[in-house]
Amino acid sequence: KAGVTQTPRYLIKTRGQQVTLSCSPISGHRSVSWYQQTPGQGLQFLFEYFSETQRNKGNFPGRFSGRQFSNSRSEMNVSTLELGDSALYLCASSSDSLGGYGYTFGSGTRLTVV
Amino acid sequence: DQQVKQNSPSLSVQEGRISILNCDYTNSMFDYFLWYKKYPAEGPTFLISISSIKDKNEDGRFTVFLNKSAKHLSLHIVPSQPGDSAVYFCAASRRGGSQGNLIFGKGTKLSVKP
Repeated sequence: KAGVTQTPRYLIKTRGQQVTLSCSPISGHRSVSWYQQTPGQGLQFLFEYFSETQRNKGNFPGRFSGRQFSNSRSEMNVSTLELGDSALYLCASSSDSLGGYGYTFGSGTRLTVV
Repeated sequence: DQQVKQNSPSLSVQEGRISILNCDYTNSMFDYFLWYKKYPAEGPTFLISISSIKDKNEDGRFTVFLNKSAKHLSLHIVPSQPGDSAVYFCAASRRGGSQGNLIFGKGTKLSVKP
């Protein structure tokens, strides 16, 4: 059974640009969550999608957005990149309809903003 | 306001001895707790979890203890092995609620010395 796949693994962008990250969940999983990991803040929740609907949202500015497609694949977009957006972005999927456990994480996308 | 706290950024233990990692939480609505292990440049890997209706859960060398009155949980690894060296994250959730997502602590880096 394939795991959670995130693409690309590494990305370098210039300040002011926008970026789109992709996540393919485990087959059959309908919940996809996104997290940002930085050395100082640990893992911080961005948002969660379940059956194409945003179910939950963390405390990030509107520059961070996401969506989920009918096949449960998800994308997150960051517009007007800032140096502080440099981080490891992790996607996690779950089959749990209530949310809260059973999350399997991908290996992440390392975004560097220069 | 940090709802899940891991107050020890690092812990060093001799191989074969017990490792005890601690975690405190502030939100009494959390009803599910998880531990994840993370190696550099990889996504977190699920280790063990516990529901709030229990006070102990064991899986091989790993045991999680939950003290609801103190809002405290701990992960015991016995015996510790060099391969256990990683960053350990404690996470909490409220299943089905507005916080169905996982709230993570900032992690504890465990070093197991041969």
